[in-house]
Amino acid sequence: AQSVTQLGSHVSVSEGALVLLRCNYSSSVPPYLFWYVQYPNQGLQLLLKYTSAATLVKGINGFEAEFKKSETSFHLTKPSAHMSDAAEYFCAVSGSGGTSYGKLTFGQGTILTVHP
Amino acid sequence: EADIYQTPRYLVIGTGKKITLECSQTMGHDKMYWYQQDPGMELHLIHYSYGVNSTEKGDLSSESTVSRIRTEHFPLTLESARPSHTSQYLCASSEYGRGAGELFFGEGSRLTVL
Repeated sequence: AQSVTQLGSHVSVSEGALVLLRCNYSSSVPPYLFWYVQYPNQGLQLLLKYTSAATLVKGINGFEAEFKKSETSFHLTKPSAHMSDAAEYFCAVSGSGGTSYGKLTFGQGTILTVHP
Repeated sequence: EADIYQTPRYLVIGTGKKITLECSQTMGHDKMYWYQQDPGMELHLIHYSYGVNSTEKGDLSSESTVSRIRTEHFPLTLESARPSHTSQYLCASSEYGRGAGELFFGEGSRLTVL
C-alpha cells in the first residue's frame, strides 16, 4: 500500500523567492517518486523523478527535489520563482518492481501562485 | 512534447446518454491508463492496460469500461451517464521497465452530465 500527502493545497510566493512544495509518502516497498506539473487546461507533465539513484534529483525548469528516507519526504524546491511557474503540482509514488510500475498514487495537489 | 491525444476536450451531455472518450498515442507505449480528476482532489486510477486485450480496474471503482484492441487506442465508455460521472478524465501512457513511472498525459476530457 502506498499514499502521498502534500502539505498545503495553496502556496503563494513572490517572484524571485524560494519555492518549497512539501510531499510526504508512505510505501510498503522501496518507492519511486515523481513530481508532475499541470498548467491550466492541460494534462500533467513530468518535472522530475527519483528511482533509487541519486537522492538529489534535478528536473526541468530549475526545479529539484531531495529524497529523504528517514523523513519519508520528497519536497520540491526552486531557488527563484518565476511567473511562469504558476501551476498545480502533484507528487506521486509508485512501487519499484513488477506490475507496480506506472500505477501511480497521486497527492491532492498544491496550487502555486507567484506574485509580481 | 507528448504525442497522446484525447477527444473530446469538453462534453456536456444529458443523463442516460452513452458516451465514449477517445484516447490515442503515437509513441508505441504498451501501458495505458485512465485517471479521474476532480477539482482540489488527487488523481485516481480507474483503468489500466498492459497491452492489447489487457485491461484491469484501478484503485477507484468506476462504472466506466475500457477496451484495448489496438496498441495506440484506449477508449473509455459510459453506457448511461449520470451527474455523478461529471469529472475530468485524463488518459496517459508509459513504457515498460524503469521508464514505466514516467507517464505521458493527454490534455484531458472534461465531462459534464446534466
